[in-house]
Amino acid sequence: QKEVEQDPGPLSVPEGAIVSLNCTYSNSAFQYFMWYRQYSRKGPELLMYTYSSGNKEDGRFTAQVDKSSKYISLFIRDSQPSDSATYLCALNSNSGYALNFGKGTSLLVTP
Amino acid sequence: SAVISQKPSRDICQRGTSLTIQCQVDSQVTMMFWYRQQPGQSLTLIATANQGSEATYESGFVIDKFPISRPNLTFSTLTVSNMSPEDSSIYLCSFGQVGYTFGSGTRLTVV
Repeated sequence: QKEVEQDPGPLSVPEGAIVSLNCTYSNSAFQYFMWYRQYSRKGPELLMYTYSSGNKEDGRFTAQVDKSSKYISLFIRDSQPSDSATYLCALNSNSGYALNFGKGTSLLVTP
Repeated sequence: SAVISQKPSRDICQRGTSLTIQCQVDSQVTMMFWYRQQPGQSLTLIATANQGSEATYESGFVIDKFPISRPNLTFSTLTVSNMSPEDSSIYLCSFGQVGYTFGSGTRLTVV
């Protein structure tokens, strides 16, 4: 079993929809949780960062962490065509350590 | 926040040759990470580069194939040696402590 599982999609939604992206993990030591957005031919860009369980909101983006279920989510409200990208979850157990990535979910938001 | 400049952005190389990828950060960072991103796959850590010591390689990656230099706290290089078509991939450098910054990536094609 891989440490981080993420459905690669692709996921296609109409503009304005609420998007839900998810990852599951197996290592209970993970306590730092990140979501990255990667546009084609670009490096990953940090979207959201959370520590331990709970919710964090930033504009149209909400990150949720449920450590009891080893499940993390990213919600995008009022999705826009510019949100079309690959979204990667990334986890680690200690700050400053290398990240463990999911495969990434390809999202397409159609006008 | 600090910025990474990575180059080259892409290259097409003959098998059996070597390519050196450079990453320059505009501030001093303790650890830098090198990742490989193969098509349809998640980012895989190649090695962690700490200034003043040998890089630490992950399982499946060896120094003879992927030598890394870290001459100071703002610069690192990764060399892909004796390349074969299986080395065709995107290579990324990264640094961070809480939330990580990535270079824009080097898209390598070996023919």
